[in-house]
Amino acid sequence: GDSVTQMEGPVTLSEEAFLTINCTYTATGYPSLFWYVQYPGEGLQLLLKATKADDKGSNKGFEATYRKETTSFHLEKGSVQVSDSAVYFCALSVGGKLIFGQGTELSVKP
Amino acid sequence: KAGVTQTPRYLIKTRGQQVTLSCSPISGHRSVSWYQQTPGQGLQFLFEYFSETQRNKGNFPGRFSGRQFSNSRSEMNVSTLELGDSALYLCASSSLTSGETDTQYFGPGTRLTVL
Repeated sequence: GDSVTQMEGPVTLSEEAFLTINCTYTATGYPSLFWYVQYPGEGLQLLLKATKADDKGSNKGFEATYRKETTSFHLEKGSVQVSDSAVYFCALSVGGKLIFGQGTELSVKP
Repeated sequence: KAGVTQTPRYLIKTRGQQVTLSCSPISGHRSVSWYQQTPGQGLQFLFEYFSETQRNKGNFPGRFSGRQFSNSRSEMNVSTLELGDSALYLCASSSLTSGETDTQYFGPGTRLTVL
């Protein structure tokens, strides 16, 4: 069935370090792909999305490219800040529902 | 535009009771979906409503039910609560317009604790 696999956390980085969170998916067809972020005590915020192969989603310095050949949608940011500390979820949309990865906790130290 | 709102934000119930959670979607959004988030199972889809009809349902027991009203507001109900129902319940809305068909916007969630 359809599924999403994310790299396990927690990930701890120093401020201004480069971030990569890996995400791969299994799906029939060509789903839309999403990254959501969850701050402590809050719901999910849409970070970025891509709806077809080779699309690049970007927002607030974060980027991810829809790679059909490798079924991947890795999240990257060139220089993380303490305020980026949160849990990040990769998701795909199929049949009107979202299927999520297990989430990756990111902690950025000053 | 106001975001998705959920009430109440926190709820404490005892086993065997029932609970109703409410969700108001973004203005103009007609699709509402519900998700359960737990540390063990992660984020799991419960059901989706569009124009007062349930279009999609996840793999949850019949104790979990929902409905949608003509103004697109939605409620979900859990009957005969079990300890394992303790979770963050998230509501999401979607406009289903061109270019936005898949994008779901989430509310802050309702934290349910079952004692």
